[in-house]
Amino acid sequence: GAGVSQTPSNKVTEKGKYVELRCDPISGHTALYWYRQSLGQGPEFLIYFQGTGAADDSGLPNDRFFAVRPEGSVSTLKIQRTERGDSAVYLCASSLSRETGGQEGPDTQYFGPGTRLTVL
Amino acid sequence: ELKVEQNPLFLSMQEGKNYTIYCNYSTTSDRLYWYRQDPGKSLESLFVLLSNGAVKQEGRLMASLDTKARLSTLHITAAVHDLSATYFCAVDYLAGNKLTFGGGTRVLVKP
Repeated sequence: GAGVSQTPSNKVTEKGKYVELRCDPISGHTALYWYRQSLGQGPEFLIYFQGTGAADDSGLPNDRFFAVRPEGSVSTLKIQRTERGDSAVYLCASSLSRETGGQEGPDTQYFGPGTRLTVL
Repeated sequence: ELKVEQNPLFLSMQEGKNYTIYCNYSTTSDRLYWYRQDPGKSLESLFVLLSNGAVKQEGRLMASLDTKARLSTLHITAAVHDLSATYFCAVDYLAGNKLTFGGGTRVLVKP
């Protein structure tokens, strides 16, 4: 079946601008995650949704970052007043809930291809 | 704060030989994952290890978990070029559903 999809694949913006990054999770996955990966590093957690609500947003670096998932499926990560330090690949992942289970483990996270954000 | 460390950071392998990647983490964890990432691509799930002593194998890759030592290993048997990639371990702390990743091990298999 279809995996996690993210749009756009690349986004170039100027410092101070507003950007939105979109994630379409695997159908039926109730949990959705956003991570950020800088060059040569492992992904860093940003926020986790269970259904429509943000269950854990402890990874958001500051109040310029915000994410929504209004209908419990598609999610949008919003970044205001972008800074050069925001440049990174933004990864989205989805999973079944821990209670529901899955083939590879109760809640293995499946990652999308990412959005490469470049702030000039 | 949970810390996850992998070593080595870079591993140059010869085809046909065996190698091990190590993943240490700092606090008690609920589960540990291994992912593979090809250049410019996203992460592909390899293994999830759920309990002490867990061992999983797929092809030339075998992962194990020792929760008492807070250590997981990824063993590569008879390396082949197709295994060239970056390998990440990730820990799910206290079932919080947020993964903390190691810095990755970049593997290059040379003929």
